[in-house]
Amino acid sequence: AQSVTQLGSHVSVSEGALVLLRCNYSSSVPPYLFWYVQYPNQGLQLLLKYTSAATLVKGINGFEAEFKKSETSFHLTKPSAHMSDAAEYFCAVSALPSGTYKYIFGTGTRLKVLA
Amino acid sequence: ETGVTQSPTHLIKTRGQQVTLRCSSQSGHNTVSWYQQALGQGPQFIFQYYREEENGRGNFPPRFSGLQFPNYSSELNVNALELDDSALYLCASSRRDRGWSTDTQYFGPGTRLTVL
Repeated sequence: AQSVTQLGSHVSVSEGALVLLRCNYSSSVPPYLFWYVQYPNQGLQLLLKYTSAATLVKGINGFEAEFKKSETSFHLTKPSAHMSDAAEYFCAVSALPSGTYKYIFGTGTRLKVLA
Repeated sequence: ETGVTQSPTHLIKTRGQQVTLRCSSQSGHNTVSWYQQALGQGPQFIFQYYREEENGRGNFPPRFSGLQFPNYSSELNVNALELDDSALYLCASSRRDRGWSTDTQYFGPGTRLTVL
């Protein structure tokens, strides 16, 4: 069965500092992995996705993530945080082998950006 | 290109009532998935519809049911509402071609359901 663990339910960084949000996955088959962002009272917006092509994936708003099979990780990074990055971030893994293309989400990491 | 839309935005019901939530999928998409997001949690998969048929269900009781229409829009119905059903309900649409593909799911803004 697939699962996702996001370490750190809350992360605070200063404006201009590096953003690192952690995601570890468990999957019995090569996974497809996603990062979504959720602003208050809104739905989920896709940031980036890994689908077995390049291991370093670039997304929107300057975010990127690296797939590391040996570490079963897919951490999200951004070199310089901006105030507008404050939001909740969700990592998800697809559960394709179950026969239904559903997503399994982590519990989320709330990012706070300090001025 | 029209994105995923959901209605209503907010809804307040009382225990035991029934509710219907609606979702219009993104243009060109043929698959709709529904998720429940409780406060402070990640979204949980309820079920998925592909070509008007249920194509998988998560760990939700039968009082959660759905439909997909020929235009690929969808409804989520919940009967006998319970307090724990209070949550944000998210609809996601995607396009699946023959076989299983890496179809990316695009989410709507959600419907906030409060059960009193």
